[in-house]
Amino acid sequence: EVQLVESGGGLVQPGGSLRLSCAASGFTFSSYWMHWVRQAPGKGLVWVSRINSDGSTTNYADSVKGRFTISRDNAKNTLYLQMNSLRAEDTAVYYCARGTGPGYWGQGTLVTVSA
Amino acid sequence: QSALTQPASVSGSPGQSITISCTGTSSDVGGYNYVSWFQQHPGKAPKLMIYEVSNRPSGVPDRFSGSKSGNTASLTISGLQAEDEADYFCSSYTSSSTVVFGGGTKLTVL
Repeated sequence: EVQLVESGGGLVQPGGSLRLSCAASGFTFSSYWMHWVRQAPGKGLVWVSRINSDGSTTNYADSVKGRFTISRDNAKNTLYLQMNSLRAEDTAVYYCARGTGPGYWGQGTLVTVSA
Repeated sequence: QSALTQPASVSGSPGQSITISCTGTSSDVGGYNYVSWFQQHPGKAPKLMIYEVSNRPSGVPDRFSGSKSGNTASLTISGLQAEDEADYFCSSYTSSSTVVFGGGTKLTVL
């Protein structure tokens, strides 16, 4: 069974940093593109970033470019999102998701940016 | 990258059919056959319903279908059921090698 479990969310002050993790199981993690998608409370889905299967290619939404870094450790079956210079508007549930579609999503981790 | 345009809400009675539109540009919806549709119930993670314009993942009822014409993609749900009441989002690959979502449509089953 495909499982994606996000962790690392929490309350952080504006300007602070946070690293999210997404532990993958039930499939060959190293074969898939992976995505981060976020959803502010009561709002729609917003794509954040993606990374190819071996980590050599990354893409970002303009709103996070230069502040967020996506990475992966295929030996640990884990996806990461390093978030720096956080702003109030980054407050959201952050989902990791797999591959085309994306077809499988985790349950999300809440990031709150507030003083 | 601007969000794709979806109607804020649609509604229908059980057994009826509804269609949700998703309008983009030639740089996203119109340029690629990488349009997906997601269903999201309150407090839950999104669920993929359609990928690559018209393909259904295993387990998704054939009441759900997708299509595309020009810069507009559409999701049709036939034989509406109460459990179809949810938010629906479209997404598309873009010419910038990014992904863009629509603003979402709230489906109400009357």
